Amino acid sequence: AQSVSQHNHHVILSEAASLELGCNYSYGGTVNLFWYVQYPGQHLQLLLKYFSGDPLVKGIKGFEAEFIKSKFSFNLRKPSVQWSDTAEYFCAVNARGGSNYQLIWGAGTKLIIKP
Amino acid sequence: DVKVTQSSRYLVKRTGEKVFLECVQDMDHENMFWYRQDPGLGLRLIYFSYDVKMKEKGDIPEGYSVSREKKERFSLILESASTNQTSMYLCASSFSGTSDPTDTQYFGPGTRLTVL
Repeated sequence: AQSVSQHNHHVILSEAASLELGCNYSYGGTVNLFWYVQYPGQHLQLLLKYFSGDPLVKGIKGFEAEFIKSKFSFNLRKPSVQWSDTAEYFCAVNARGGSNYQLIWGAGTKLIIKP
Repeated sequence: DVKVTQSSRYLVKRTGEKVFLECVQDMDHENMFWYRQDPGLGLRLIYFSYDVKMKEKGDIPEGYSVSREKKERFSLILESASTNQTSMYLCASSFSGTSDPTDTQYFGPGTRLTVL
């Protein structure tokens, strides 16, 4: 069965630190990959997504993610975090061309940025 | 901008009550989804619909039913609410794969349901 694994459930960083959140998936076929973010009290919103082309994807608010097919990974990065990045981050995958449209979700990583 | 709205942000119900959660999207999306979100479990799909009157079970459909009579509206029904259905419920919508091959989903603000 397809699954998505996010390595850390909680991450605490100081402002200006660099961030990398891990995401690995298990699926042998072609995939679409997503990172969503949920700020406190707000709805889930799309941070970035990979469909095809350049495996380094840039999203909103200075985030980027790199798709490494050989490692089944899609890690999220930001060179210098801000207090406003405090949020929960979710990685999600769907099988391209799948007939059931289902996104497979990771358990989420709560990121806390200390001011 | 895509807009997905949910009828209530907070809801408190008693065990055994019938509960209706409503979701409306304004982007003419074919697909609509209901998830529940619980700490440490991520999002789990309850039901989804790929067309009016069409529905498919997700990973945890037990205790829930859905209704999609109009394209823009997708309702989640708890026939007899139980305390283990206390959760955050999220609605999402997306275009079909022919319109958007990435199937990007857009979410509503969520309904936090407490069953006493």
